[in-house]
Amino acid sequence: RKEVEQDPGPFNVPEGATVAFNCTYSNSASQSFFWYRQDCRKEPKLLMSVYSSGNEDGRFTAQLNRASQYISLLIRDSKLSDSATYLCVVNIMNQFYFGTGTSLTVIP
Amino acid sequence: EPEVTQTPSHQVTQMGQEVILRCVPISNHLYFYWYRQILGQKVEFLVSFYNNEISEKSEIFDDQFSVERPDGSNFTLKIRSTKLEDSAMYFCASTGQGSQPQHFGDGTRLSIL
Repeated sequence: RKEVEQDPGPFNVPEGATVAFNCTYSNSASQSFFWYRQDCRKEPKLLMSVYSSGNEDGRFTAQLNRASQYISLLIRDSKLSDSATYLCVVNIMNQFYFGTGTSLTVIP
Repeated sequence: EPEVTQTPSHQVTQMGQEVILRCVPISNHLYFYWYRQILGQKVEFLVSFYNNEISEKSEIFDDQFSVERPDGSNFTLKIRSTKLEDSAMYFCASTGQGSQPQHFGDGTRLSIL
């Protein structure tokens, strides 16, 4: 059983669209949650932490639903530069579990 | 902003040779990790290290692999006898406390010939 599951996509959306990614995790003891962005052949970079109350950073909104054990990322007004793979990461007892990543391509 | 640094950026090695990948984590961080990513595949956990010892390792991290923190700043991954399937990007990461996000180095691309 995978600790973290994501729809791998790919998601191809036009510029300006709103797109949402979901991620589910299996361990209810999961303690902290993150979205990372990874460009091709580059390292994962932290996009945002995900807090229980939900949080927003500009065009990006992250939500956590502990009861249903899922995390979401919403991107509004997509830009070409948002094209990347988005990784859902869950921390359990100082170990970090990665989803397979969701591929996003924003089309002009 | 402090960052994790990795060297070399690209390592080409003959099959069967030993290779050492180097990482300098962020200076006040306590937890250190190695991951690998085969081209086009997901990020795979190899090993975590805390308080000068391995805290967790995956099934990938077999007897051919070892880690060291020899001098309080470097964190190294050694592969004793490389195989073709070891070709991948290797990422080092560190974090201050376990609940904080990880910071990644920009990786070492390992190519085994």
